[in-house]
Amino acid sequence: AQTVTQSQPEMSVQEAETVTLSCTYDTSENNYYLFWYKQPPSRQMILVIRQEAYKQQNATENRFSVNFQKAAKSFSLKISDSQLGDTAMYFCAFMKLDSGNTPLVFGKGTRLSVIA
Amino acid sequence: DAGITQSPRHKVTETGTPVTLRCHQTENHRYMYWYRQDPGHGLRLIHYSYGVKDTDKGEVSDGYSVSRSKTEDFLLTLESATSSQTSVYFCAISEGGGVGEETQYFGPGTRLLVL
Repeated sequence: AQTVTQSQPEMSVQEAETVTLSCTYDTSENNYYLFWYKQPPSRQMILVIRQEAYKQQNATENRFSVNFQKAAKSFSLKISDSQLGDTAMYFCAFMKLDSGNTPLVFGKGTRLSVIA
Repeated sequence: DAGITQSPRHKVTETGTPVTLRCHQTENHRYMYWYRQDPGHGLRLIHYSYGVKDTDKGEVSDGYSVSRSKTEDFLLTLESATSSQTSVYFCAISEGGGVGEETQYFGPGTRLLVL
C-alpha cells in the first residue's frame, strides 16, 4: 500500500516571499502520478499541479513548481511570490498508474498562511 | 468547473437514520469517487466506481454502500448513520484511459453532522 507524508502541519510565509511545502511518499510502484491540491476556506479542492513519475523534468504552473526526486520519493511544492489568496490547506496526493484510473492517496495536509 | 454537483450540501441527521448523498456529473466521465475528509486525516477513499454498476471499496468503506445505475449519478448511502460518520464528503470524477485523463476533479463537498 502507498502512503503519503506531509511533515509540516502548519506553515506561514510573508506576502511576496517564497515557501516550500514538503511531501514524501512510499511506494513500490514505478509508474505513478503525483498531485498537489489546494483547499481554500471555501473547502473546494483545486488542482494546483501534477507530475508524471516517468518525466524527469519538474512540473511548473505559473508561480507553482515542484521538486520531484524519484529516488528519494520526495515531491515538494514551491510557491513563489506568495499572495494572500494562497492561504489554504495544501494536500499532496499519489496515484498509481494502472490499466485504468486508481484512487488518490492523500497526505494529511499542510495549512499555509500568507501574512500581509 | 468539471460539472460536478453534490446534494445536499449540508445535512444534520440523527444516529440510526439512513442517509443518501448524491453526486451528479454532466460530462460522462467514467470514474467517480467518494472521499471523506476529517481533521488530521486528509481525504480518505470510501468507494469508487469505474463504470455503471461497477464499484469497489476503499480504505474506509465500513458502514457505507454505493450505487451507480447511470453514468451521471453516484450515490453514497449510510445505512444507519453513526456519530463517527460526521464528516465532509467529497465526490470526485476522472475520465480515465489516457495520459492527461487521470486527474481527479472534485465536487463542492457535503457537510454531514450525525447527532
